[in-house]
Amino acid sequence: DIVMTQSPDSLAVSLGERATINCKSSQSVLYSSNNKNYLAWYQQKPGQPPNLLIYWASTRGSGVPDRFSGSGSGTDFTLTISSLQAEDVAVYYCQQYYSIPLTFGGGTKVEVK
Amino acid sequence: QLQLQESGPGLVKPSETLSLTCTVSGGSISSSSYYWDWIRQPPGKGLEWIGSIYYSGSTYYNPSLKSRVTISVDTSKNQFSLKLSSVTAADTAVYYCARRYLPSSGGHRYFDLWGRGTLVTVSS
Repeated sequence: DIVMTQSPDSLAVSLGERATINCKSSQSVLYSSNNKNYLAWYQQKPGQPPNLLIYWASTRGSGVPDRFSGSGSGTDFTLTISSLQAEDVAVYYCQQYYSIPLTFGGGTKVEVK
Repeated sequence: QLQLQESGPGLVKPSETLSLTCTVSGGSISSSSYYWDWIRQPPGKGLEWIGSIYYSGSTYYNPSLKSRVTISVDTSKNQFSLKLSSVTAADTAVYYCARRYLPSSGGHRYFDLWGRGTLVTVSS
């Protein structure tokens, strides 16, 4: 199984400031034949299902604000919220879809400082 | 607009079988373009993928649960189902159904549509 490790477990950021979340996979999720990283990010607000934010490590999902960006390759990835808004308070998960079983990181809780 | 809705008992006794159904509305489960998945989330914890099914009936299961899980599909009802046997308190969770694109080139993809989830509590 590919183990996904997120850091930090939680972070508090002032409104308008940058939030950075890290995700590390136990093996590379870069598929050499198409040069794509099989890595997604989801946002989960309380009482709601996860919502797809980023796929292919850096492609924003439909309707996702451009303050959300994803970067990284191979085993190390980052989700950045460039200017935190109140509505961004949530738990964020990374997920690899390189191989079965599909696995998620443990989540990072983002709060307002 | 396609929607997913989970249904089933909210309370299951230990050692019994958990049974849930996901109804697909606004589209066909028989689309050749998608897998249909189950994912769960214990209260206050992270997400665990349970397994997937294609409309033809082919499945993938998480090895950690494979001995206890059966996922099936009923295309006539536009539904797919989850059965988890010999449940314990550790199986208490919100259970989500979700959709995952299946590219013609093969490989796996992310979850692009989720149901709202249903809480199942295992308790006597």
